[in-house]
Amino acid sequence: SQKIEQNSEALNIQEGKTATLTCNYTNYSPAYLQWYRQDPGRGPVFLLLIRENEKEKRKERLKVTFDTTLKQSLFHITASQPADSATYLCALFSYSGAGSYQLTFGKGTKLSVIP
Amino acid sequence: KAGVTQTPRYLIKTRGQQVTLSCSPISGHRSVSWYQQTPGQGLQFLFEYFSETQRNKGNFPGRFSGRQFSNSRSEMNVSTLELGDSALYLCASSQSLAGALIANTGELFFGEGSRLTVL
Repeated sequence: SQKIEQNSEALNIQEGKTATLTCNYTNYSPAYLQWYRQDPGRGPVFLLLIRENEKEKRKERLKVTFDTTLKQSLFHITASQPADSATYLCALFSYSGAGSYQLTFGKGTKLSVIP
Repeated sequence: KAGVTQTPRYLIKTRGQQVTLSCSPISGHRSVSWYQQTPGQGLQFLFEYFSETQRNKGNFPGRFSGRQFSNSRSEMNVSTLELGDSALYLCASSQSLAGALIANTGELFFGEGSRLTVL
């Protein structure tokens, strides 16, 4: 069956360190993958997209890698700050045949950056 | 420009009742998607509308339905509410269908959600 797993429900990290979040998937052939940030009581906010033929994308302190062989995406936040504390969601877009498609979200990892 | 607006923000219903939630997308966006978010299941896709037509549907029972109007505003309806329907319902708008990445990131713009509690 298809599955998306984000490495852990919660991750605590010291301010200034690099946070690394993992998104693993099985039985998908994603065309692209997105990462979103969600704060409590708010809707998710888009951060980055990486396509199946791309290995790495960067945006300011954020970096995303995509390894379709390992079926894994890594999301890095360098020089983490307390303001980075939030839940981070990965989302896979894949075609499911007969012109249909799906955008499937992981359950998220709650990141806490400790001052 | 104004973001995605969802109403109502909070509502309480009892089992067996029905509920209608509303979503106004960002101006110019023609696609509206609906998601259900619960602590146990995370974000789950309900359906997507584009130009007043349902283009994609998730694995939810027929009690969940939606529609889109000519101004791209969308409503979703849940009939015969069950306790398990308690959730945050999120609406997201985008310029094009989810798969169309031409000149854009496929970014979904989410509203703040409607928090439904079923007693």
